[in-house]
Amino acid sequence: NAGVTQTPKFRVLKTGQSMTLLCAQDMNHEYMYWYRQDPGMGLRLIHYSVGEGTTAKGEVPDGYNVSRLKKQNFLLGLESAAPSQTSVYFCASSLYGLAGGEFFGPGTRLTVL
Amino acid sequence: AQSVTQLGSHVSVSEGALVLLRCNYSSSVPPYLFWYVQYPNQGLQLLLKYTSAATLVKGINGFEAEFKKSETSFHLTKPSAHMRDAAEYFCAVSDRSNDYKLSFGAGTTVTVRA
Repeated sequence: NAGVTQTPKFRVLKTGQSMTLLCAQDMNHEYMYWYRQDPGMGLRLIHYSVGEGTTAKGEVPDGYNVSRLKKQNFLLGLESAAPSQTSVYFCASSLYGLAGGEFFGPGTRLTVL
Repeated sequence: AQSVTQLGSHVSVSEGALVLLRCNYSSSVPPYLFWYVQYPNQGLQLLLKYTSAATLVKGINGFEAEFKKSETSFHLTKPSAHMRDAAEYFCAVSDRSNDYKLSFGAGTTVTVRA
């Protein structure tokens, strides 16, 4: 049981480049989430999914897109990266969508130059 | 909408001393409250949660928190700090007004002095 895994662990982009972050979970969880963590701001929800084929906007969705084609995977895309998107990105999953039941991945550190 | 304020971005304690991390929340409806811990270069791990049962909640690693509705607080304590408690701690709130999605505080970094 790997839990929640994230790929890649680190990435450096130039402004305007695109990339996709992959989150995978092997716990058969329905709910999946993408957060960003910035110093002094805690975690902020970007997008989330309540099941395969569904996505919804969180608190800070601008500049990001997501897809949940398979239940176990949740992809976060940056179409045109900006320095303001430099952050640590965390994926999480939960079985019933109840706060406090999330399992968090180890994070992806993204730097946009 | 709910929000969380954590008082103090950094706390330094001596090994064996009391750890006290302060959290105040605002919520228009009964809240669920949480404390998470993040060790360096890792994801978040749930320490404890309040979900309208007992107001004194015990969590992992010897931590506990007390829900005080009159003070809108959910402070985290541990009687005796260990070196392994050095980490960042986040308070979070959720309620039905936001479909129970989490809102996090800014975090408090704890350092433990030998």
